[in-house]
Amino acid sequence: EAQVTQNPRYLITVTGKKLTVTCSQNMNHEYMSWYRQDPGLGLRQIYYSMNVEVTDKGDVPEGYKVSRKEKRNFPLILESPSPNQTSLYFCASSDRANQPQHFGDGTRLSIL
Amino acid sequence: SQQGEEDPQALSIQEGENATMNCSYKTSINNLQWYRQNSGRGLVHLILIRSNEREKHSGRLRVTLDTSKKSSSLLITASRAADTASYFCATAPNTGGFKTIFGAGTRLFVKA
Repeated sequence: EAQVTQNPRYLITVTGKKLTVTCSQNMNHEYMSWYRQDPGLGLRQIYYSMNVEVTDKGDVPEGYKVSRKEKRNFPLILESPSPNQTSLYFCASSDRANQPQHFGDGTRLSIL
Repeated sequence: SQQGEEDPQALSIQEGENATMNCSYKTSINNLQWYRQNSGRGLVHLILIRSNEREKHSGRLRVTLDTSKKSSSLLITASRAADTASYFCATAPNTGGFKTIFGAGTRLFVKA
């Protein structure tokens, strides 16, 4: 079954404690992306990756890092989380850029 | 600022009625996509319309695109209670890079 898997699904943590949200897809997709969703703002793109070792900033990259060492994985790293990064995060992938994206089920992060 | 902006923000209709949602965007695009989201779950792709297309159908969905007005509409005909969800447009700007930009969404409620 085609899937985008995010972990964890829920996390409550404290300011400054580094965390990583993992994302894995089993469709051999080239394009992967991270979004955050906040009430009234829709989804905003954080980072995207065109392929292994190729990443670029979206509209809200500040405070986040990503890496793409393998085609299937695209982890999102918060080096020093702050309360304004409390949000619902989605990972997505597509065959190529500008094509329909498959979304994970989301990760709800609360940073106290 | 958001590329795509949906209108209306919320829509409540009776089952069997048609629902129309609109999306406006700011820059030239490669394509425009519509997605659906149920209650904070991952988004599901509905339909993609290319910049050189004016209208596209998929089942009860009809999408139009007017590049001169930088706008698109999504029509759901003969709505059902199960269509209750949030609907988002997403654009792939033709301005270099491979970002995806989502609007804030329209919340549709279909009353049985």
